Amino acid sequence: QSVLTQPPSVSAAPGQKVTISCSGSSSNIGKNYVSWYQQLPGTAPKLLIYGNNKRPSGIPDRFSGSKSATSATLGITGLQTGDEADYYCGTWDSSLSAGFFGGGTKLTVL
Amino acid sequence: EVQLVESGGDLVQPGGSLRLSCAASEFTFKNYEMNWVRQAPGKGLEWISYINGDGNTRYYADSVKGRFTISRDNAKKSLYLQMNSLRAEDTAVYHCARVSFTGGDGWFDPWGQGTLVTVSS
Repeated sequence: QSVLTQPPSVSAAPGQKVTISCSGSSSNIGKNYVSWYQQLPGTAPKLLIYGNNKRPSGIPDRFSGSKSATSATLGITGLQTGDEADYYCGTWDSSLSAGFFGGGTKLTVL
Repeated sequence: EVQLVESGGDLVQPGGSLRLSCAASEFTFKNYEMNWVRQAPGKGLEWISYINGDGNTRYYADSVKGRFTISRDNAKKSLYLQMNSLRAEDTAVYHCARVSFTGGDGWFDPWGQGTLVTVSS
């Protein structure tokens, strides 16, 4: 059972927008920053968003992140078939000196 | 290109031991904090251990505390995970990942491809 809760799956058509939620509590998301990771089939996870809404160099602005209270959201616009992957939210809890991840959301681009 | 490559995964019997390695390249390894994160078959990511740059500070998830030991050799630019008293529930792909911190934020980047550990009789 993951500390952070994500929907198991989401789907949308090419070109459309999708959002993936990550729900936590005041003890994790509520007091820490959220990061997001993309895991394409058979590959290593890749950082998409850090600091709730910052994109690393090379990540297109189709990907965005936001956080409000104890929840975070990953948004993907202009969906492409190549975006089909598992997406994970994560956080580092400095007070516990531990990392936590959501259970992952499988994105299907129909 | 910054790269992390794990090795050492294998089939091991319950109660057995295994040592995983992670070779780092194209960054100043000693300056970075490192982690192990595992992924059971068909499941999500689970953080299991952290080590700081000089190896003097280590943290573990409750699920592996007392059984797993993280270590590093900065001269060899390598990270290790010694796994003892292995259980079936430890079956997973084990990824090493570099962690960065700033202003209370922590994120994992990059990640290695992972090495598969299977615990079964």
